[in-house]
Amino acid sequence: AQKVTQAQTEISVVEKEDVTLDCVYETRDTTYYLFWYKQPPSGELVFLIRRNSFDEQNEISGRYSWNFQKSTSSFNFTITASQVVDSAVYFCALSEANTGANSKLTFGKGITLSVRP
Amino acid sequence: NAGVTQTPKFRVLKTGQSMTLLCAQDMNHEYMYWYRQDPGMGLRLIHYSVGEGTTAKGEVPDGYNVSRLKKQNFLLGLESAAPSQTSVYFCASSLLGRYTEAFFGQGTRLTVV
Repeated sequence: AQKVTQAQTEISVVEKEDVTLDCVYETRDTTYYLFWYKQPPSGELVFLIRRNSFDEQNEISGRYSWNFQKSTSSFNFTITASQVVDSAVYFCALSEANTGANSKLTFGKGITLSVRP
Repeated sequence: NAGVTQTPKFRVLKTGQSMTLLCAQDMNHEYMYWYRQDPGMGLRLIHYSVGEGTTAKGEVPDGYNVSRLKKQNFLLGLESAAPSQTSVYFCASSLLGRYTEAFFGQGTRLTVV
């Protein structure tokens, strides 16, 4: 069975600090997909990134970067020079490819990030 | 482009009452999902659908039923609401299921008293 663990529950940083959100996953499949979503205080869930299991290249998008390491089953998310607007709950999610009709997305419990001015 | 729309946004029910939550998407997505979000629990899958006329159970299906009579709509029903069903409910849809990202509705905050 697939599982996503976000061991950090709450993180508080001061604006402009860098912060890394950890995500560890478990799956029996060799083909799978990993996602990060952001849930700001307004409540909606916003897609940030998708990564498939064959692509271990790190991804950078502005102040956001993602480090995917299959050897440690981790898909960590770093925010550089954090801003107050980054305050949100961040979810890591896993979707296995070889599950036939069982096409579900399994979420971690989320990390609440607070960025103080 | 509305994306995924949930109706209603808020609702208070008395124990034993029934209600239906409506999810509509205008992106022609095949896959649709219902999740519930509870403090410290993340999002847990209730039911999902891989296409019109199909439904399947997720992680926490008990006490809920769903229907997907039209491709664009996915209904979540509570036949006899219980306080344990107090939660925020999210509907989502995706184009190709596990391969693509899911788009979420704004959520429905349901309180059962």
